[in-house]
Amino acid sequence: DAKTTQPTSMDCAEGRAANLPCNHSTISGNEYVYWYRQIHSQGPQYIIHGLKNNETNEMASLIITEDRKSSTLILPHATLRDTAVYYCIVRPAGLSNTGNQFYFGTGTSLTVIP
Amino acid sequence: DSGVTQTPKHLITATGQRVTLRCSPRSGDLSVYWYQQSLDQGLQFLIQYYNGEERAKGNILERFSAQQFPDLHSELNLSSLELGDSALYFCASSARTREETQYFGPGTRLLVL
Repeated sequence: DAKTTQPTSMDCAEGRAANLPCNHSTISGNEYVYWYRQIHSQGPQYIIHGLKNNETNEMASLIITEDRKSSTLILPHATLRDTAVYYCIVRPAGLSNTGNQFYFGTGTSLTVIP
Repeated sequence: DSGVTQTPKHLITATGQRVTLRCSPRSGDLSVYWYQQSLDQGLQFLIQYYNGEERAKGNILERFSAQQFPDLHSELNLSSLELGDSALYFCASSARTREETQYFGPGTRLLVL
């Protein structure tokens, strides 16, 4: 079950930073925050994940608040190809005997505008 | 290209029929996941296999079944098809040491008429 709340849609100007918020107020201590995105009708794509420290990779940055009840995914220089649905998911990390599936919510539909 | 392949890309069939969707995970990945994405339900987890054994079940109907073979490829069997089974079916795989990163295939688009 999705334990996150995200805005339904957002717009961002091309070349500007896209900041996508996510609320996860009931997150447990052993749960990580994951971000995936899905470009229209393609398979979802992993972006980044973190526990409590801010994380950065070649695609994005993840900022998690100190109380871990919310986070922000930052695409530093959005391009038209970043137009997609972005999913914020919380889930324990590590190989689990009960499965490692993701429960995707409705996500945020990001439109990058030329 | 995620390295996960799915066949066929498109499938059109009639109600009551049975179809098989195939997935080849990335080389070396032991886990295979199946997800269904329909317009009204969003992306839903169906089932996970790990090294040939069922690991977790989600919202998978009894008319649906899956298996993972010794070579690690997986098949999802859908039987007694109904109009509502029309959807995109995605397969994903993950490595044992990086299970947080699931690599999704391009999907199979199923249309039941």
